[in-house]
Amino acid sequence: DAGVTQSPTHLIKTRGQHVTLRCSPISGHKSVSWYQQVLGQGPQFIFQYYEKEERGRGNFPDRFSARQFPNYSSELNVNALLLGDSALYLCASSRFLDGSNSPLHFGNGTRLTVT
Amino acid sequence: AQRVTQPEKLLSVFKGAPVELKCNYSYSGSPELFWYVQYSRQRLQLLLRHISRESIKGFTADLNKGETSFHLKKPFAQEEDSAMYYCALSLFQGGKLIFGQGTELSVKP
Repeated sequence: DAGVTQSPTHLIKTRGQHVTLRCSPISGHKSVSWYQQVLGQGPQFIFQYYEKEERGRGNFPDRFSARQFPNYSSELNVNALLLGDSALYLCASSRFLDGSNSPLHFGNGTRLTVT
Repeated sequence: AQRVTQPEKLLSVFKGAPVELKCNYSYSGSPELFWYVQYSRQRLQLLLRHISRESIKGFTADLNKGETSFHLKKPFAQEEDSAMYYCALSLFQGGKLIFGQGTELSVKP
């Protein structure tokens, strides 16, 4: 079991730039969720995708967008980066949409630093 | 608004001592609650969920709707329990978890 894989592991960007983060879910998992974890805080929900459709969105600006591909992998895009976007971005997959019957499996995350 | 509160950032105990990590939630609906754990250099992983009513690695957690709490307990802490623990609330739509700020548990020999 390869688990949820995320790339890249680390990334350094400059303010105003754009970034794309990638996530491959566990085989057979159709739901992918994205979380932002700022240092010292718990993860904060950004998006959930299931069967290539957005099923939930957290309180993040429109600079944040995501999509899910036919193979269920996903990308998170952030435009016009701000210093405050520096965080660990976590991807989680689950078999079904309903989290109570199919717990989330998290990746190791992508550490984004905006300078 | 939905919220999860973990009042302790750091909890330090000696090996063999009882442990209780506190979690309070704010949610008007029927909550589904989880504890996730992150050991050093490992990914965030599910420890237990209230609907299972199970004991994992000696940990238990009981949902108290009257006190809106879901405290994590273990009667005798072990050094390998040292980790970051997050309480999380799942809303109806499934993949959206609301996490608390986390409690770092340090078990000293």
